Amino acid sequence: QKEVEQDPGPLSVPEGAIVSLNCTYSNSAFQYFMWYRQYSRKGPELLMYTYSSGNKEDGRFTAQVDKSSKYISLFIRDSQPSDSATYLCAMSAAGGTSYGKLTFGQGTILTVHP
Amino acid sequence: NAGVTQTPKFQVLKTGQSMTLQCAQDMNHEYMSWYRQDPGMGLRLIHYSVGAGITDQGEVPNGYNVSRSTTEDFPLRLLSAAPSQTSVYFCASSYSPLPYYEQYFGPGTRLTVT
Repeated sequence: QKEVEQDPGPLSVPEGAIVSLNCTYSNSAFQYFMWYRQYSRKGPELLMYTYSSGNKEDGRFTAQVDKSSKYISLFIRDSQPSDSATYLCAMSAAGGTSYGKLTFGQGTILTVHP
Repeated sequence: NAGVTQTPKFQVLKTGQSMTLQCAQDMNHEYMSWYRQDPGMGLRLIHYSVGAGITDQGEVPNGYNVSRSTTEDFPLRLLSAAPSQTSVYFCASSYSPLPYYEQYFGPGTRLTVT
């Protein structure tokens, strides 16, 4: 079983919809949680970063972490065609040699159509 | 700044051939890493380096070698290519391995082994 599970989709929504992307994980040592966005044939770029449990908001994007359930989410409000990309969750444990080692989910392909 | 650059963009190898994937960054980052991305698997860490002269193995190191003689460059060597190494390879760099420092990804090298 993978340490991080992410529904690969694909997910297709109309412009203006609220999008919910989710990951579950099994390693309780994970404390740092990230969402990356990857456009077609490009490298991933960091979208949101959260430490431990709680919410974080940045414009139309909200990241949520529930460590008790080992579940993280990314919400996109008022989705735009430019949000069409693959969204990857990533996680990292703390301490020593764990730093820098990201464990990724499989990625969810999102298409926002006008 | 060019950021993280990778060469070549595309490569086709025959089974048993060797080659080096190049990665360079101009941000004076200490931490560099290599990932491979396969359908349904997300990104998986191959090797990483916390500074010149220091490298270590990630999750899937077999069949790959790395060295770090300068801060800027972190080449990945395939010793004897196998079809299982067909993948997209991403190099990443960060100021520090600490998770609150963003990792910047290169554009990727698409490798096919026949």
